[in-house]
Amino acid sequence: EDQVTQSPEALRLQEGESSSLNCSYTVSGLRGLFWYRQDPGKGPEFLFTLYSAGEEKEKERLKATLTKKESFLHITAPKPEDSATYLCAVTEYGNKLVFGAGTILRVKS
Amino acid sequence: NAGVTQTPKFRVLKTGQSMTLLCAQDMNHEYMYWYRQDPGMGLRLIHYSVGEGTTAKGEVPDGYNVSRLKKQNFLLGLESAAPSQTSVYFCASRPTGQFGFNYGYTFGSGTRLTVV
Repeated sequence: EDQVTQSPEALRLQEGESSSLNCSYTVSGLRGLFWYRQDPGKGPEFLFTLYSAGEEKEKERLKATLTKKESFLHITAPKPEDSATYLCAVTEYGNKLVFGAGTILRVKS
Repeated sequence: NAGVTQTPKFRVLKTGQSMTLLCAQDMNHEYMYWYRQDPGMGLRLIHYSVGEGTTAKGEVPDGYNVSRLKKQNFLLGLESAAPSQTSVYFCASRPTGQFGFNYGYTFGSGTRLTVV
């Protein structure tokens, strides 16, 4: 059974304090790993798709990396507007996503 | 604006009542999904559809039914609501093939359902 575990559950950072979120997964044959951002009261918003170990993708202050067992979402010099819940999901056969429980990020100015 | 629209946004039901949640997308996507989101448990797949007229069970299908009579619409029904179905429900869609992975799934803004 596919499993996705995200850590930490919650993270509080000062503005400018860089850190990383972790997503570990167990899946027989990974077809894609997704990162989403979710703001309170809204649906998840797509950030990145990673397909193979060693792959990296960047968007503004966010950088996602992938190994054979986990993915990291690195946040460089975060701002208060980066506060959100970050969700990780994997797909094995492509028909459906299996999500982790998410990491709640709070960035204080 | 193109996207996924869910109605209603909020609903309170009494135990045993029935209701239908509507999801509509205007992006001509083949695949559509219904998820529920509960605190600490992440998003869990209820049912999904790979095209008009098709449906399949996800991780937590019990107590729900779905229909995809038109490509753009995906309906989620609760025949006899239970307090355990109190949750936030999200609909999502994506096109087929690699394009669907490259740009992720598009989610609606959710329906917050409370069963009392």
